[in-house]
Amino acid sequence: EIVLTQSPGTLSLSPGERATLSCRASQSVSSSYLAWYQQKPGQAPRLLIYGASSRATGIPDRFSGSGSGTDFTLTISSLQPEDFATYYCQQSNSFPFSFGPGTKVDIK
Amino acid sequence: QITLKESGPTLVKSTQTLTLTCNFSGFSLTTVGAGVGWIRQPPGKALEWLALIFWDDDKRYNPSLKSRLTITKDTSKNQVVLIMTTMDPVDTATYYCACRQGTGWFDPWGQGSLVTVSS
Repeated sequence: EIVLTQSPGTLSLSPGERATLSCRASQSVSSSYLAWYQQKPGQAPRLLIYGASSRATGIPDRFSGSGSGTDFTLTISSLQPEDFATYYCQQSNSFPFSFGPGTKVDIK
Repeated sequence: QITLKESGPTLVKSTQTLTLTCNFSGFSLTTVGAGVGWIRQPPGKALEWLALIFWDDDKRYNPSLKSRLTITKDTSKNQVVLIMTTMDPVDTATYYCACRQGTGWFDPWGQGSLVTVSS
C-alpha cells in the first residue's frame, strides 16, 4: 500500500506569493499515476494536475506540477485570492488508490 | 459534459446498512476504460478512496473496508451503487462518486452526499 505524505500541513502566504507544496510517496509512483486536486470549503475536489505535470482543462497556467519517483511538487506561481484552499495529491499507481492528508493554503 | 450526482439517506443508525447511488451522464460504463469510483471525507478530514468499478465489471476495494463494501453498476440506468454494511459513527462523512479518467485520476466529481451515522 502506498502512503502519501504532504508538507507542509498549512502554508500561510499572501496574494501574489509563490506556493510550493510537496507530496512524498512511500514507494515509487510512476509520474503517469500522480494527480493533484484543489478543494474549497463545502465543495467537491477539483482536478488540477494529472500525470504529475499535465494541467486539467481550464486550469490556469500559474498551476504547475513536477516530480518523479517518490517526490512530487505542486507550484502556484502567484497566488490569487481564489487559490486559498486545500490541496490533495492522489496516486493510482497501485491499488488501493490513496490520497495525501492535504496542504491547506491560507491567507497570511 | 460529464456529470455525477450522489443520492441516499442523510442519516443512518449504527449497525445499519448504507446504500448510496451515483447517477451519471455524459459517458457510458460500457466504454472500454471507463470507471466510477467512490471516495469519502469525514468532516474536517482528508479524502479516503473506497471503491472503483470498471466497464468490464472489475471491482476494486480499499482493503481496510473491503469486508463491508459492495460496488455494482447498472449500465442501462447509468448508475453505480455503493453498499456499506455495519455503519458506525466514525463512518460519518461526505461520500463522493467520481469519474475515473486516464490512468486513474478522478474528474469530475459529484457534489457529495453527507451521511451522518447516529449511535
